[in-house]
Amino acid sequence: QKEVEQDPGPLSVPEGAIVSLNCTYSNSAFQYFMWYRQYSRKGPELLMYTYSSGNKEDGRFTAQVDKSSKYISLFIRDSQPSDSATYLCAMTGYALNFGKGTSLLVTP
Amino acid sequence: DSGVTQTPKHLITATGQRVTLRCSPRSGDLSVYWYQQSLDQGLQFLIQYYNGEERAKGNILERFSAQQFPDLHSELNLSSLELGDSALYFCASSARAGGPSETQYFGPGTRLLVL
Repeated sequence: QKEVEQDPGPLSVPEGAIVSLNCTYSNSAFQYFMWYRQYSRKGPELLMYTYSSGNKEDGRFTAQVDKSSKYISLFIRDSQPSDSATYLCAMTGYALNFGKGTSLLVTP
Repeated sequence: DSGVTQTPKHLITATGQRVTLRCSPRSGDLSVYWYQQSLDQGLQFLIQYYNGEERAKGNILERFSAQQFPDLHSELNLSSLELGDSALYFCASSARAGGPSETQYFGPGTRLLVL
């Protein structure tokens, strides 16, 4: 079993919808939690970064960490077609441990 | 554009061959990381170099090796290639020695196809 589990999707939503992306993990030593966005044929880019439990908001994006449940979420409000990408959760430790990514399609 | 460059963009080769992937980190970054991304395994950390020295090792096969040169660019050498080595190989860089709070910036990747 991988240390980080993420539903691969694909997830298809209409423009304007609220999107919820989630990951679970097994290693309680993980302290830093990130979300990366990866467009097709591009490298991942850091979207959000959270330390320990709690919420963090950045524009239309909210990252949530629940360490007691070993569960992290990324919410996207007012989703746009330009949000269509693969979203990877990552956490550390020292080296980054990635989920396999969830493919999101936002349709106009 | 992250500032990390990788060459070549695509590579097609045969089983048993050896290839070299090249990475130039962002200006001023001292650490370089190598990752492999495949459909079944996702994005997996291979190895990190910091200022020319190996810093951390992940799931890197013995057939693979890497180095970081004095100008801080890095090369990943893959030898005795197998069909299963077909994947996207990403390089990332960060400012310092790495660690949980340090942001990594990813390059565009090299797509390797082993036939």
